[in-house]
Amino acid sequence: DAGVTQSPTHLIKTRGQQVTLRCSPKSGHDTVSWYQQALGQGPQFIFQYYEEEERQRGNFPDRFSGHQFPNYSSELNVNALLLGDSALYLCASSLSRDNYGYTFGSGTRLTVV
Amino acid sequence: RKEVEQDPGPFNVPEGATVAFNCTYSNSASQSFFWYRQDCRKEPKLLMSVYSSGNEDGRFTAQLNRASQYISLLIRDSKLSDSATYLCVVIPSSSGGSYIPTFGRGTSLIVHP
Repeated sequence: DAGVTQSPTHLIKTRGQQVTLRCSPKSGHDTVSWYQQALGQGPQFIFQYYEEEERQRGNFPDRFSGHQFPNYSSELNVNALLLGDSALYLCASSLSRDNYGYTFGSGTRLTVV
Repeated sequence: RKEVEQDPGPFNVPEGATVAFNCTYSNSASQSFFWYRQDCRKEPKLLMSVYSSGNEDGRFTAQLNRASQYISLLIRDSKLSDSATYLCVVIPSSSGGSYIPTFGRGTSLIVHP
């Protein structure tokens, strides 16, 4: 039973570029949440997708967008990258309305230079 | 005031010591509480849920104090392998039907020989 898989594991981008991160949820999960974790900080909620729609969004600018596909996998897109976007991006999957079933992927470490 | 606050530490303790962490939360309507463990450059993993009656899992004890709005984690007989960052997670009640975990910044624990 595969857990949450994220790709790529590491990425280096230049300021102003765009990036797409991918996440496949744990088998049986239908909800995907994205978090940004800066060094020395806790994960910060970006948004959550359920039934291919953004269900809730954290305090992130519109440069951050996402998508969920019919197979429940998800993408996180970030446009016009800033140096401050350098972080570990975590995807967590869960079964809708289940408070206890968050499973995290190992993350994508994005470095913006 | 941040929604979830933790002392970042580090807590530097010898093997065999007992150590306790606290985490305060600001939303009195919060419903669910958890402790996650995060090893260096890895994803967070669920350590244990926190119940009002308190709960114990081996050397780990978690407690919730709703009146004072804090949760605690006690680790007895510390092992070298307990060295990690411990993240406090709070899930507020939600009118939208989605439950978004809010993470603290984590408390770093270093257990030395």
